Amino acid sequence: EAEVAQSPRYKITEKSQAVAFWCDPISGHATLYWYRQILGQGPELLVQFQDESVVDDSQLPKDRFSAERLKGVDSTLKIQPAELGDSAMYLCASIRQETNEKLFFGSGTQLSVL
Amino acid sequence: GIQVEQSPPDLILQEGANSTLRCNFSDSVNNLQWFHQNPWGQLINLFYIPSGTKQNGRLSATTVATERYSLLYISSSQTTDSGVYFCAVELNTGNQFYFGTGTSLTVIP
Repeated sequence: EAEVAQSPRYKITEKSQAVAFWCDPISGHATLYWYRQILGQGPELLVQFQDESVVDDSQLPKDRFSAERLKGVDSTLKIQPAELGDSAMYLCASIRQETNEKLFFGSGTQLSVL
Repeated sequence: GIQVEQSPPDLILQEGANSTLRCNFSDSVNNLQWFHQNPWGQLINLFYIPSGTKQNGRLSATTVATERYSLLYISSSQTTDSGVYFCAVELNTGNQFYFGTGTSLTVIP
């Protein structure tokens, strides 16, 4: 069964350093989401792409976070500089548009900022 | 924005018991999905169920869209059912999914 691929699985960094996460959605899925999940809470949307275009980034802290999906396939989420409060699970998800279908998640990147 | 509330927040069951998890939402939705997050953090899609009833093995789900709630039934629970269950709703096709507060389930042998 096709999966959403994410890497790395774990990332430990020091505050003020730059970090990057990568996501490859299921083939044919036009919409890609980046979510952040703090321990004990539900996932919260950071950014939504439709193909290569940003649909919603209203919750993305743009002073330090950036996201791109240049060719409308895989995507990168970057944090620079990282802060202690950024420690969380970063999840990528994708869904095929035009029809109502299931949302699929990758295994996530667990970020720890020291 | 839409409010998505789940109950109960925590649930402890003896292996073999049945349970019902509830998801209430404050607005009309186009899409509702149930997820299980395992102890390693992986979110597994259980059901896509904007309305009606679906069953998959020991799990079943019902959504009553007109009354703005959905139920997830787990029968004959097993220790592997432990984890956090989330419902997520989509207001309109192509929009973001809003996640509920989650129900943490622990099944003890």
